Amino acid sequence: DQQVKQNSPSLSVQEGRISILNCDYTNSMFDYFLWYKKYPAEGPTFLISISSIKDKNEDGRFTVFLNKSAKHLSLHIVPSQPGDSAVYFCAASLSNNDMRFGAGTRLTVKP
Amino acid sequence: SQTIHQWPATLVQPVGSPLSLECTVEGTSNPNLYWYRQAAGRGLQLLFYSVGIGQISSEVPQNLSASRPQDRQFILSSKKLLLSDSGFYLCAWSWPPNFGPGTRLLVL
Repeated sequence: DQQVKQNSPSLSVQEGRISILNCDYTNSMFDYFLWYKKYPAEGPTFLISISSIKDKNEDGRFTVFLNKSAKHLSLHIVPSQPGDSAVYFCAASLSNNDMRFGAGTRLTVKP
Repeated sequence: SQTIHQWPATLVQPVGSPLSLECTVEGTSNPNLYWYRQAAGRGLQLLFYSVGIGQISSEVPQNLSASRPQDRQFILSSKKLLLSDSGFYLCAWSWPPNFGPGTRLLVL
C-alpha cells in the first residue's frame, strides 16, 4: 500500500528559479515528515523535516510546508542550483521505527 | 564521527543462490539499525529494524532474514534468492535514518 505518494517522477527547473517538489499521504496519523536527497550510486541523505504540529520549517534555501487538512507536503528550493540535481524522497513516520517513503522525484536544475 | 559501511557495492547472483549483505556502523554504540530496499521505480521499503543485539523486527513477509550478531553489525541474508529480490539494499542507523552507500543486487 502506497501511503506516501510522489506523483511527479521528474521535474526540470532553470538555475536560480524555485523548485517545488510535492508529496501526498493518506494516513492522517503520520506525525513526522522528512525529505531526503539521493545522488546516483549513493544512499539517501537527510535534508529537512517537519513535525505535524508545524506547517513550515525552513533551513537555508530549503523550506518544507505541511498542509495537514490536504495531507500534502512540499519542498521548496530557492534559488535552485545545478548541484541540487538529484532524486528527492519524501517520507512520513508513525513512530521512530515505522517510516514510509514515496517513490521519489528526479530534479534536474539546468544551468 | 559516525560512519556506516556496506558491502559489496554491487552483486550479481543467480536465482536460488544464498545471499549475505553486511552493514557495520562506527562511532556510535547501541544504534537502531535498519534494512531498506528500493525496487525499480518504487520508494524505499523498510524490511527489518533492530533496537539491539539479537533483536530483529520484520516489517514484511519475504524471502529474506536479518541478524544482529554484534552491536554495530547488521546482516541481511537469504537462503535462496528469487528474481523479485533484485533491488537496491540500504542499511541505515539512528533517527532520522542515516543511510549507507547501498548494495545493488541483481538476481538473474
